[in-house]
Amino acid sequence: DTAVSQTPKYLVTQMGNDKSIKCEQNLGHDTMYWYKQDSKKFLKIMFSYNNKELIINETVPNRFSPKSPDKAHLNLHINSLELGDSAVYFCASSQGLAGMETQYFGPGTRLLVL
Amino acid sequence: AQSVSQHNHHVILSEAASLELGCNYSYGGTVNLFWYVQYPGQHLQLLLKYFSGDPLVKGIKGFEAEFIKSKFSFNLRKPSVQWSDTAEYFCAVRAGTASKLTFGTGTRLQVTL
Repeated sequence: DTAVSQTPKYLVTQMGNDKSIKCEQNLGHDTMYWYKQDSKKFLKIMFSYNNKELIINETVPNRFSPKSPDKAHLNLHINSLELGDSAVYFCASSQGLAGMETQYFGPGTRLLVL
Repeated sequence: AQSVSQHNHHVILSEAASLELGCNYSYGGTVNLFWYVQYPGQHLQLLLKYFSGDPLVKGIKGFEAEFIKSKFSFNLRKPSVQWSDTAEYFCAVRAGTASKLTFGTGTRLQVTL
């Protein structure tokens, strides 16, 4: 009965590869997010979708492309992976926009680029 | 742009000690304030939040936070910490009508037996 789930949990890959991380929420929320947490634990929003529409796109390299096939899913595709992409990526969801409602976070995907 | 500062990066306390973690933000308008906790190996969970009303907010597990508008602060407190409170604590702010949260850099709390 996991509320926000992410796959895979761990991802180790070589520089230059393309990879995807998937996120699903079963809370019926209409807003989903991707955050990046670096090695110093700093948590920064990358993208936010509301009802499948992109509403937040922070200064993120265009190698990162989110896709929301429906309200319950928000996937993150990363092209040409670089060493600096190594981080923990968290998906989250909320009913309504962030800050008005509690966000529920997934368990994170630990990405290591070699 | 708004920012959130958590000046205590790493706090070490003995069990039963009192806790206060600082959080300051830089925005002069209406704010919504949150504290999230990340236990080792786990995802972030909401501890408490402030939207309006009583500036003293009580959350789960005995935590509370006080919003002091004049000081742009939202400090987290707990009168007596337990070993199980060992975690990373994040303050977050929604500034005005922004549709996102800005997180602080986190405070690592280590509680020793």
